[in-house]
Amino acid sequence: EAEVAQSPRYKITEKSQAVAFWCDPISGHATLYWYRQILGQGPELLVQFQDESVVDDSQLPKDRFSAERLKGVDSTLKIQPAELGDSAMYLCASSVGVSGTFGSEAFFGQGTRLTVV
Amino acid sequence: AQSVSQHNHHVILSEAASLELGCNYSYGGTVNLFWYVQYPGQHLQLLLKYFSGDPLVKGIKGFEAEFIKSKFSFNLRKPSVQWSDTAEYFCAVYINAGKSTFGDGTTLTVKP
Repeated sequence: EAEVAQSPRYKITEKSQAVAFWCDPISGHATLYWYRQILGQGPELLVQFQDESVVDDSQLPKDRFSAERLKGVDSTLKIQPAELGDSAMYLCASSVGVSGTFGSEAFFGQGTRLTVV
Repeated sequence: AQSVSQHNHHVILSEAASLELGCNYSYGGTVNLFWYVQYPGQHLQLLLKYFSGDPLVKGIKGFEAEFIKSKFSFNLRKPSVQWSDTAEYFCAVYINAGKSTFGDGTTLTVKP
């Protein structure tokens, strides 16, 4: 069964350092999402790509977060500098079309657990 | 902005008990509704979804959910839970163009 791959699974970093997460969506999925999930809360959408274009990054803290999907396949989410409040699970998801629309659903990866110390 | 409320943070049941998890949303327009499940150590996966038509939708593993538009609710049900249903359950609302809002989740513990 095809899966969304994410790495690393766990990351510990010191505050003010830079950190990056990688996501490889299911082959053929045009839409890619990055979510942040704080312990005890549901996933919060950070950025949505359609192929290589950003279609929604309204919740992305752009002063420190950046995301790219250069060739419309895999994607990288970067935080620089990391802050203590960034400690969370970062989830990547992909879908064939726009998730939530008829016939399309989001498939999630295992996530990257970030701890900022 | 839309919001999703899951009233029960933690539910503990014995095997064979019936389950109902509440989900209410606030949005006046057309919505698509999902329930996701996350089993221990696994990734989020889709349990069931509602787009239109019959408000009673059936998902995997014997789960079902009923959309009641007048109550802005999409409650999840299962007549008889099993130990393997122990997991965290998330309700999600999608409006246009993939814009999603998730609830904060309900942790279900089923005692054998």
